[in-house]
Amino acid sequence: TQLLEQSPQFLSIQEGENLTVYCNSSSVFSSLQWYRQEPGEGPVLLVTVVTGGEVKKLKRLTFQFGDARKDSSLHITAAQPGDTGLYLCAGAILMSNTGKLIFGQGTTLQVKP
Amino acid sequence: DSGVTQTPKHLITATGQRVTLRCSPRSGDLSVYWYQQSLDQGLQFLIQYYNGEERAKGNILERFSAQQFPDLHSELNLSSLELGDSALYFCASSIGQGTYEQYFGPGTRLTVT
Repeated sequence: TQLLEQSPQFLSIQEGENLTVYCNSSSVFSSLQWYRQEPGEGPVLLVTVVTGGEVKKLKRLTFQFGDARKDSSLHITAAQPGDTGLYLCAGAILMSNTGKLIFGQGTTLQVKP
Repeated sequence: DSGVTQTPKHLITATGQRVTLRCSPRSGDLSVYWYQQSLDQGLQFLIQYYNGEERAKGNILERFSAQQFPDLHSELNLSSLELGDSALYFCASSIGQGTYEQYFGPGTRLTVT
């Protein structure tokens, strides 16, 4: 069974602080997605990383895919209250010709003003 | 707005009943995915359809079934409902059958009483 473990599960920080969320697995994924979800809404795709070691930046968010494509991290610089939400990583199964994704349990981020 | 629509937004029903959830994918997308999100299980992949054909199955119960119609909309049928089926049900869509960038609808909140 392929699992994605996210840590931490909960994070409460002050505005302006930096944070990192981790997504780890013992399985290799062909790609990894990060989503952000707000209460009562569907997840919104933030980024897809495909190549081992790949780094992508989205304004204050930096995403990295591990060299072995088993792990990923999301780093937020100078967090703002608008960053509050549930962050989900999702891995695409290697050598699968389907779009099936394995989701982590999520990290709930609260940024206090 | 992701372009994926789901109806109804909320559904309250009794144990033993049957319900149908509906999803219309983004224009041009051929794949539809169904996910279940509960507090204790996180976001779980149920099933994928691509251009009318079933492509991948997750931990979908036998009481649950889905189909994708020629106009590409999809329906998820849940029968003999149990209290534990109460959850958010999301539909997502993507362009291809092995495309991992998925766009989620707003979800249907199912409450079984």
